[in-house]
Amino acid sequence: GQNIDQPTEMTATEGAIVQINCTYQTSGFNGLFWYQQHAGEAPTFLSYNVLDGLEEKGRFSSFLSRSKGYSYLLLKELQMKDSASYLCAVKDSNYQLIWGAGTKLIIKP
Amino acid sequence: IAGITQAPTSQILAAGRRMTLRCTQDMRHNAMYWYRQDLGLGLRLIHYSNTAGTTGKGEVPDGYSVSRANTDDFPLTLASAVPSQTSVYFCASSQGQADGYTFGSGTRLTVV
Repeated sequence: GQNIDQPTEMTATEGAIVQINCTYQTSGFNGLFWYQQHAGEAPTFLSYNVLDGLEEKGRFSSFLSRSKGYSYLLLKELQMKDSASYLCAVKDSNYQLIWGAGTKLIIKP
Repeated sequence: IAGITQAPTSQILAAGRRMTLRCTQDMRHNAMYWYRQDLGLGLRLIHYSNTAGTTGKGEVPDGYSVSRANTDDFPLTLASAVPSQTSVYFCASSQGQADGYTFGSGTRLTVV
């Protein structure tokens, strides 16, 4: 079966750095996405990785290792508004998105 | 403002009733999707449509039906609602296979 694993919940301090990991086992791979979802709202696109390596976008970076079936989302200079759930999703061989259950990130002052 | 509009925002529905959740996009995206999101389970695909006139079943299609008469609209129908269909429903769209999804604001449905 297809599976995406990420931690259920993480806590970090305002101004710090946090890394959210995602491991996947899917039938084929056509890209990995990270989404942010604030409570009661829709998911919004953060990043896309299809090749190995690090993609940086402002305070957020995403890393991919296809050989290890592994990705992480790195958030720097954490702000209170970064408190949200972070969803990892992989496009399989049929270009369908397979979603992880999400990581709830709690930021403390 | 380009995007996806879902209606209603929330609904309480008696079990056994029929209900259609509406989804309209103005981005001319080819593909559209319906997901349900339940606590601890993440997003699960109900039905999808790769282009107008075609639909397909996702991971949890039972009890739901969809149609795609044109590019913009992708309604989701619950023929006879059951309490296990209580969930938050998201409609999404994407332009191409390599693209991310744009989501609507969701419909919170409670079946009692």
